[in-house]
Amino acid sequence: AQRVTQPEKLLSVFKGAPVELKCNYSYSGSPELFWYVQYSRQRLQLLLRHISRESIKGFTADLNKGETSFHLKKPFAQEEDSAMYYCALGDSGGYQKVTFGTGTKLQVIP
Amino acid sequence: EPEVTQTPSHQVTQMGQEVILRCVPISNHLYFYWYRQILGQKVEFLVSFYNNEISEKSEIFDDQFSVERPDGSNFTLKIRSTKLEDSAMYFCASRPLSSYNEQFFGPGTRLTVL
Repeated sequence: AQRVTQPEKLLSVFKGAPVELKCNYSYSGSPELFWYVQYSRQRLQLLLRHISRESIKGFTADLNKGETSFHLKKPFAQEEDSAMYYCALGDSGGYQKVTFGTGTKLQVIP
Repeated sequence: EPEVTQTPSHQVTQMGQEVILRCVPISNHLYFYWYRQILGQKVEFLVSFYNNEISEKSEIFDDQFSVERPDGSNFTLKIRSTKLEDSAMYFCASRPLSSYNEQFFGPGTRLTVL
């Protein structure tokens, strides 16, 4: 069974401080990992995916298969980064449902 | 930029009543999904739909639930006889054929069962 674990419900950092949102996964196949973000009163939206190895809004995430992790990082937090962040695992087979973690609320303190 | 839309934004119903939640996916998308999020819990997969039939469903998606694409644009989730525990945020999502698993989410419908 596939599972995504986000150990922190809430992460508070000061503006300008580095951010790391932790995510671990369990999946028997070749994983497809994503980070989704939900800003206040807005819909879930894709932030980045591991396969494209991109940096969006200064965020990066590296897939570490040995540690089964996909932590989200940003060197300098901004106030507008405050949101809920969900790590998600895409099912590479079938019709590709997504399994979400419980989410981490990032609070950037001015 | 096209977006997935959902109506209503909030639905209140009495236990035992039927509800229909509506979604309009992005027009060229071919895969459709419903997820739900009970307050304080994670987003959970309910069902996926492709080529006018259910392609996968979770344990949550029991006989009380059904999905339909009645007219080629709307994608609906019906709950036949609502229970208190059906109270949740319901999200619709869609995906085009070519996208590498990126699903585009609607804003959600908050269902409250009294």
